[in-house]
Amino acid sequence: GAVVSQHPSWVICKSGTSVKIECRSLDFQATTMFWYRQFPKQSLMLMATSNEGSKATYEQGVEKDKFLINHASLTLSTLTVTSAHPEDSSFYICSATGDLTYEQYFGPGTRLTVT
Amino acid sequence: ILNVEQSPQSLHVQEGDSTNFTCSFPSSNFYALHWYRWETAKSPEALFVMTLNGDEKKKGRISATLNTKEGYSYLYIKGSQPEDSATYLCAFMTTDSWGKLQFGAGTQVVVTP
Repeated sequence: GAVVSQHPSWVICKSGTSVKIECRSLDFQATTMFWYRQFPKQSLMLMATSNEGSKATYEQGVEKDKFLINHASLTLSTLTVTSAHPEDSSFYICSATGDLTYEQYFGPGTRLTVT
Repeated sequence: ILNVEQSPQSLHVQEGDSTNFTCSFPSSNFYALHWYRWETAKSPEALFVMTLNGDEKKKGRISATLNTKEGYSYLYIKGSQPEDSATYLCAFMTTDSWGKLQFGAGTQVVVTP
């Protein structure tokens, strides 16, 4: 099956700093990547959709200047949480697909804690 | 925001027993329903993608059914084993939200020996 990696798996940062999370498709070309966030006991919530070489599309209520997404190649998308605050502490997970109508392949996620 | 509901939130199953749980979703503009299996510290694993009303899919001891008219899907685990312990997520895609999945909160299954 298709493999998606995510790095780092967990990160602790201080309030006001920025954190970058990488999402890579290891054995296929991902035309589209998705970024989700999950708060405890809640469902995965889509934050944004990114296509290689174009600007990401953000869901309503997600600040695009705070959550910078770059999809520079068909195998790599990055999410940068800028000027992180404790309320940004969450579980962030990416997925990738080569075909929007079928499976999205997920990374293992990144636990972000902002102190 | 479309509501995808999964019930129960969690369940405990004795090894060897069979179990099932539900995913409910809005029936309008249906395109596809996805089921994922998510073990702790691992990536969610795709189980099924279902698109047709009345569809039934099977993978080993796990199977799923789909009713798009009434907006629900059942996931069945036959003869549960400890390795079936995981959170099972369903996600719904509509015809007007191309490629975007709306997830339920999941059903956590714990299989005890």
